[in-house]
Amino acid sequence: DIVMTQAPLSVSVTPGESASISCRSSKSLLHSNGITYVYWYLQKPGKSPQLLIYRMSNLASGVPDRFSGSGSETDFTLKISRVEAEDVGIYYCGQLLENPLTFGSGTKLEIK
Amino acid sequence: EVQLVESGGGLVQPGSSLKLSCVASGFTFSNYGMNWIRQAPKKGLEWIALIYYDSSNKYYADSVKGRFTISRDNSKNTLYLEMNSLRSEDTAMYYCANIPSEFGVAYWGQGTLVTVSS
Repeated sequence: DIVMTQAPLSVSVTPGESASISCRSSKSLLHSNGITYVYWYLQKPGKSPQLLIYRMSNLASGVPDRFSGSGSETDFTLKISRVEAEDVGIYYCGQLLENPLTFGSGTKLEIK
Repeated sequence: EVQLVESGGGLVQPGSSLKLSCVASGFTFSNYGMNWIRQAPKKGLEWIALIYYDSSNKYYADSVKGRFTISRDNSKNTLYLEMNSLRSEDTAMYYCANIPSEFGVAYWGQGTLVTVSS
């Protein structure tokens, strides 16, 4: 199984500042079709997860462009620019390259 | 409005069975592969089952293989999860979610809570 390792476990950010969350996969998520199958989700308190970034760097519909995704074949970063209060929650990376689909353990973002 | 609405959860005893449903509306359900993903209390996300758009393939996590069965009825826009031989460790919120499309179209339901306890 592909293991997804996230860091840090939690991050506390002042509104208006930036935050970065890292995710590392135990295997390359780059498919032979050139697509890297890493996804980022945000689970706000008491809510279902919502997709933020798909295929490593593509912004999901309705997601503010303060969010961005980047990376290589095994190392990925979610960056949140100009953090707002509404960004609090737990961020998960996940891989959809192969079964079983797997997620990172989550990074909790709090506001200072 | 796009909706995925799960139902069927509840409190059951170990060894019991339960069948979850997920009704889709507002999008073309039959175009999408569908997942069941669960979240134990205060824990992270665990994928447990996937079914292709046409039911041609089904995959399961090892933790549920042989006990859970995923199925769908595209004529009813409904996804199912039949759960047998339930264990305390199956206690979780169960979400249905589609496989994100090439354009990042991704929907999640609000979840249905399954509690396995004597």
